[in-house]
Amino acid sequence: EVQLVQSGAEVKKPGESLKISCKGSGYSFTKYWIGWVRQMPGKGLEWMGIIYPSDSDTRYSPSFQGQVTISADKSISTAYLQWSSLKASDTAMYYCAINTKSGYRFFDYWGQGTLVTVSS
Amino acid sequence: QSALTQPASVSGSPGQSITISCTGTSSDVGGYNYVSWYQQHPGKAPKLMIYDVSNRPSGVSNRLSGSKSGSTASLTISGLQAEDEADYYCTSYTSSRTLVFGGGTKLTVL
Repeated sequence: EVQLVQSGAEVKKPGESLKISCKGSGYSFTKYWIGWVRQMPGKGLEWMGIIYPSDSDTRYSPSFQGQVTISADKSISTAYLQWSSLKASDTAMYYCAINTKSGYRFFDYWGQGTLVTVSS
Repeated sequence: QSALTQPASVSGSPGQSITISCTGTSSDVGGYNYVSWYQQHPGKAPKLMIYDVSNRPSGVSNRLSGSKSGSTASLTISGLQAEDEADYYCTSYTSSRTLVFGGGTKLTVL
């Protein structure tokens, strides 16, 4: 059974760094692109970027380029989303997701989400 | 890249049909047959309902159907049921090799 299990909720202060994770199981981790999606409180879904764990090929939405870093450690089947200096506006639910059919043009499996709260 | 345009809300009575539109440009919706639709209930992760414009994943009701004309894609739900009440999002592959979501549509079953 394909599963994506994300790390737990985080409460951070502005300016702090953070790295959240998404562990894949039940499939060959290097075979599928893993993407990240943001959902700010009461708002819609936003595509942030995606990584191909096999070779770490990474693509970012222009809105998130330079704001976050997506990475993956294929030895432990885990993808990451990280910030070097959080802002209050980073408060959101973050989902990881994969496409097990072909490429990354849609997501058919999703993680449960990680809630990030940034507040002084 | 701008978000795809969806109506903020649609509503319908049980048994009726509704259609949600998703308008983009020739650089996304109009340029590729890679439009997908997601359903999201409050507090839950999104669920894939339609991919590649009109394909339904296994287990998704055949009351849902997708189509596209030019730069506008559409999701139709027929025989509305209370369980269909949720937020719906479209997404499309883009010429920048990224994906872009629509703003989302809240479906209310009256």
